[in-house]
Amino acid sequence: DTQMTQSPSTLSASVGDRVTITCRASQSISSWLAWYQQKPGKAPKLLIYKASSLESGVPSRLSGSGSGTEFTLTISSLQPDDSATYYCQQYNSYPRTFGQGTKVEIK
Amino acid sequence: QVQLQESGPGLVKPSQTLSLTCTVSGGSISSDGYYWSWIRQHPGKGLEWIGYIYYSGSTYYNPSLKSRVTISVDTSKNQFSLKLSSVTAADTAMYYCARDDGSGSYYANWGQGTLVTVSS
Repeated sequence: DTQMTQSPSTLSASVGDRVTITCRASQSISSWLAWYQQKPGKAPKLLIYKASSLESGVPSRLSGSGSGTEFTLTISSLQPDDSATYYCQQYNSYPRTFGQGTKVEIK
Repeated sequence: QVQLQESGPGLVKPSQTLSLTCTVSGGSISSDGYYWSWIRQHPGKGLEWIGYIYYSGSTYYNPSLKSRVTISVDTSKNQFSLKLSSVTAADTAMYYCARDDGSGSYYANWGQGTLVTVSS
């Protein structure tokens, strides 16, 4: 299995801050990476696919980058609605695997 | 816009079989090219991919669960189902059904999830 490791596990930032979450794969996954946002009691919501492609309707302040084994999700200007847990998921191989999540809190 | 809805018992006894159904609306489950998947989330934890059934009926399961998992489809009801046998407390989780983007990759459509507790 391809292990996905996110850092940090939790981050706290102020509205307007630039926030970056990192996801590392245990082996190269090319650009076959997706990012999801999950709010309490809700299903995950797709944000980004193919490492950097923004899903329709997702605010442009979110962006993704990376390839191979290291990826980042960036929120350019943190907003209150961004308070959530974020997960990365690789789809280079089966079984599909997810990172353990990064909880983003607003100070 | 396709919508998915999970249903099934919220409480299952240890050693029994967990059975869940995902009802699909707004699209046909037999549409060309989609993978229909089950994903679970243990309380307060991350996401675990269980497996998929392709529109053609072929399946693929997570090796960690393969011996206990069966995913099937009922095209007449536009539903697909999950069966997980010999459950233990470790199978207590929120179970989601999801549809991929059409290439078996990421998941753009999710059900709301259903919590299954394994307890006597």
